[in-house]
Amino acid sequence: DQQVKQNSPSLSVQEGRISILNCDYTNSMFDYFLWYKKYPAEGPTFLISISSIKDKNEDGRFTVFLNKSAKHLSLHIVPSQPGDSAVYFCAAGETSGSRLTFGEGTQLTVNP
Amino acid sequence: DTGVSQDPRHKITKRGQNVTFRCDPISEHNRLYWYRQTLGQGPEFLTYFQNEAQLEKSRLLSDRFSAERPKGSFSTLEIQRTEQGDSAMYLCASSFKRAVSYNEQFFGPGTRLTVL
Repeated sequence: DQQVKQNSPSLSVQEGRISILNCDYTNSMFDYFLWYKKYPAEGPTFLISISSIKDKNEDGRFTVFLNKSAKHLSLHIVPSQPGDSAVYFCAAGETSGSRLTFGEGTQLTVNP
Repeated sequence: DTGVSQDPRHKITKRGQNVTFRCDPISEHNRLYWYRQTLGQGPEFLTYFQNEAQLEKSRLLSDRFSAERPKGSFSTLEIQRTEQGDSAMYLCASSFKRAVSYNEQFFGPGTRLTVL
């Protein structure tokens, strides 16, 4: 039972353009969502989060959008930079709970 | 460096041996988590502690696995009688959980386990 899904295993964009990474979830109990970035041989690094009471959260070049009715969230990176090349994981949790449930990840490659 | 640290970073062992990993969380964090990540997958939750109490264990955590956080600071994860299927990256994370808030978890670099 995959409660958080990232359907695109990979995404390639040109430097300076927008990167859009998508994530879908099935569990209606999830009420906060996070994006992590992971480089090879390192642990995931927290990027940005959003609570279910919001539909948008921005932090510099990163914006997360949440569509609760569609159970869908997306991460926008603009402008994309070569250093953004990494695997991006979407994660979801319940405020009353503890664990995070992760998607499978999307490998983003930003070409110079 | 005040981030989450894990030791060792890599461990190669033979099937049937016992291994132990250590995690040192961010000092003011009251929650500590263990996850496992295999190739092509996202991290999967194993267990978590609030202070020294182990409050939840995943069904992934078989009876060969045991975790402790004796003084509410560092934690150890032991795997007894390792099997080849235990080969994975073991990730530790910590967070500070307030009464009514969600908690952003901060991850360590992981311990890569290879069971031959």
